[in-house]
Amino acid sequence: GENVEQHPSTLSVQEGDSAVIKCTYSDSASNYFPWYKQELGKGPQLIIDIRSNVGEKKDQRIAVTLNKTAKHFSLHITETQPEDSAVYFCAATRGFKTIFGAGTRLFVKA
Amino acid sequence: NAGVTQTPKFQVLKTGQSMTLQCAQDMNHEYMSWYRQDPGMGLRLIHYSVGAGITDQGEVPNGYNVSRSTTEDFPLRLLSAAPSQTSVYFCASSYSWRAENYGYTFGSGTRLTVV
Repeated sequence: GENVEQHPSTLSVQEGDSAVIKCTYSDSASNYFPWYKQELGKGPQLIIDIRSNVGEKKDQRIAVTLNKTAKHFSLHITETQPEDSAVYFCAATRGFKTIFGAGTRLFVKA
Repeated sequence: NAGVTQTPKFQVLKTGQSMTLQCAQDMNHEYMSWYRQDPGMGLRLIHYSVGAGITDQGEVPNGYNVSRSTTEDFPLRLLSAAPSQTSVYFCASSYSWRAENYGYTFGSGTRLTVV
């Protein structure tokens, strides 16, 4: 079946450093790629998204890139802060269905 | 706006018992769905609905039923609970059935333990 692979599963960075999370999707018809942040005990929250006709999108310290040919997309967080510590999920959507990656647990050390 | 409201937050069931997880949204969203979250497996789609009266199966539908009699509510029923259904369950909604155009709003989850 269709799947989304996400790496790394755990990422630890020093405050102020950058963090990069990478995902690969298998369904070439996927056309919408959201990223979610999940804090402890809460539901995932949409933080940024990108559509298949766009290569890059930025929102303050967060950016996403998409390579449709390689079926790769990535989340970049710059100038990380302790409040960025959470689990991040990538996802790929086609039609009614969204497939999620397994998640990356990000630790930002003060 | 309360967003997406899930009840209960925690539940312990015995094997073979049945129960209903409630989900309600007050945003007039067309699309609603149920996911389960298990360690190391991300979020897996159980069932979804693109509008009142319309439901369909996701990736892991066995052992679960859903119905959508109103736009606001999308309950998930466990027919005969099994230990394999121990998980955290999330309800999510989206403005349009064209899920690719809008992200999801998630509820805060129901942590279910089946003993």
